[in-house]
Amino acid sequence: DAEITQSPRHKITETGRQVTLACHQTWNHNNMFWYRQDLGHGLRLIHYSYGVQDTNKGEVSDGYSVSRSNTEDLPLTLESAASSQTSVYFCASSGRLSNEQFFGPGTRLTVL
Amino acid sequence: QKEVEQDPGPLSVPEGAIVSLNCTYSNSAFQYFMWYRQYSRKGPELLMYTYSSGNKEDGRFTAQVDKSSKYISLFIRDSQPSDSATYLCATCFTGANSKLTFGKGITLSVRP
Repeated sequence: DAEITQSPRHKITETGRQVTLACHQTWNHNNMFWYRQDLGHGLRLIHYSYGVQDTNKGEVSDGYSVSRSNTEDLPLTLESAASSQTSVYFCASSGRLSNEQFFGPGTRLTVL
Repeated sequence: QKEVEQDPGPLSVPEGAIVSLNCTYSNSAFQYFMWYRQYSRKGPELLMYTYSSGNKEDGRFTAQVDKSSKYISLFIRDSQPSDSATYLCATCFTGANSKLTFGKGITLSVRP
């Protein structure tokens, strides 16, 4: 069955370190998204991609970057982790002609 | 004003109750309306998807959109403990690559 996976599921890191969160989907979807979810804020869009080599900033993109070298993967990099980036991160994907997004299981990141 | 406002909750009801979950939105150009369900420590999953105004029913769940008042509702009949989760409303514009705008989510607890 097609799916979307995220790794690691839990990560503890220190302030200032670079961290990369992986997202892999086997739906063959063109569109991929990264969100963070925090109490009181709900889901907020970090970055998104509509295809290979395409990336766009979302509403909370500062301190994050993505790259899309193939259809299946959209890794999210925190260039220099900050405590404010402690959150649960969700990756999602959708087909070219659809607004229906399928979410991964999430990565719980703690920055000490 | 946030583009999508959702009752903050939490909400606790006895098993068998009818549950009404509501959102309001500010942009009249939104055309697609969705409800996602998120169990604890899981990713959101699409529950209901409607286009423009009207009702859509799926088993015990009914999604209702009133575009004249910019109001979105999800009704759950004969609620079950397994319905205990966080429910997020989401909207987007017409167009295949339109981004979703989420409400903050409301946590529902159904007591046996």
